[in-house]
Amino acid sequence: DAKTTQPNSMESNEEEPVHLPCNHSTISGTDYIHWYRQLPSQGPEYVIHGLTSNVNNRMASLAIAEDRKSSTLILHRATLRDAAVYYCILRDEAGANNLFFGTGTRLTVIP
Amino acid sequence: SAVISQKPSRDICQRGTSLTIQCQVDSQVTMMFWYRQQPGQSLTLIATANQGSEATYESGFVIDKFPISRPNLTFSTLTVSNMSPEDSSIYLCSVATFIPWRAFFGQGTRLTVV
Repeated sequence: DAKTTQPNSMESNEEEPVHLPCNHSTISGTDYIHWYRQLPSQGPEYVIHGLTSNVNNRMASLAIAEDRKSSTLILHRATLRDAAVYYCILRDEAGANNLFFGTGTRLTVIP
Repeated sequence: SAVISQKPSRDICQRGTSLTIQCQVDSQVTMMFWYRQQPGQSLTLIATANQGSEATYESGFVIDKFPISRPNLTFSTLTVSNMSPEDSSIYLCSVATFIPWRAFFGQGTRLTVV
C-alpha cells in the first residue's frame, strides 16, 4: 500500500474550520483515500473516503487534488468532540481488506 | 454497518500468563482482523482471522504467541500467550464490510502486564 504523510499534530479553535492535510505522492490509480479518526479511549471510526472527486458527508468534506497526490480533510466547525487522531490511509480497491495505519495527525481543539 | 463488542475492555495480568480477548459482531462478516496499538503508537495489524481455517499472520507475529480462533462469521478470539510487560497494549478487533468498503473497530482491550 502506498504511504501517506501527515503532520504529527495540529490545533484549532472551537467552532472554526480545520484543514487536515495529507500527502500521498505515490498513490496509484486504484487507491482510494480513506480518513479514519480515533477519539480518546476508542477504536478508530470512519470519517470519509474518496477516489478522485471531492466528497461531502455529515461529518466532513474531503478535497482531493487534481493530481491526487494530496488531499485535505475539512471539518467545517471544530467542536471539542472532534479532538482525536486523524488517519489518512490509502487502500487499493483490488488489494487487501484491512487498513495500514500511519502515524496520523493529533488534532487539539481549543475552547 | 457493524457493531463490535470486545471483552474484556481492560485487564491487568501477571507475566507468564495468557489472556483471551473475545470479539462479537452483530452481523455476519467475512473479513475480521486483529490489531495492536502500543502505548502512544498507531495501529499495527496482527493477523486476519479466517473462518474455518488458520489465521493469516503479519510479519513479526506468530501463532504460538497470538493464537486466533474464528469459529463462525460473527465471533473471534485472540489469545496473548506467555505475556511479558512488552505485551502491554490495546488490542482491537476490526471487521470490513463491502459496498461500500468500510472498516469498523471495537472499543479495544487495554492490557497491562505486570
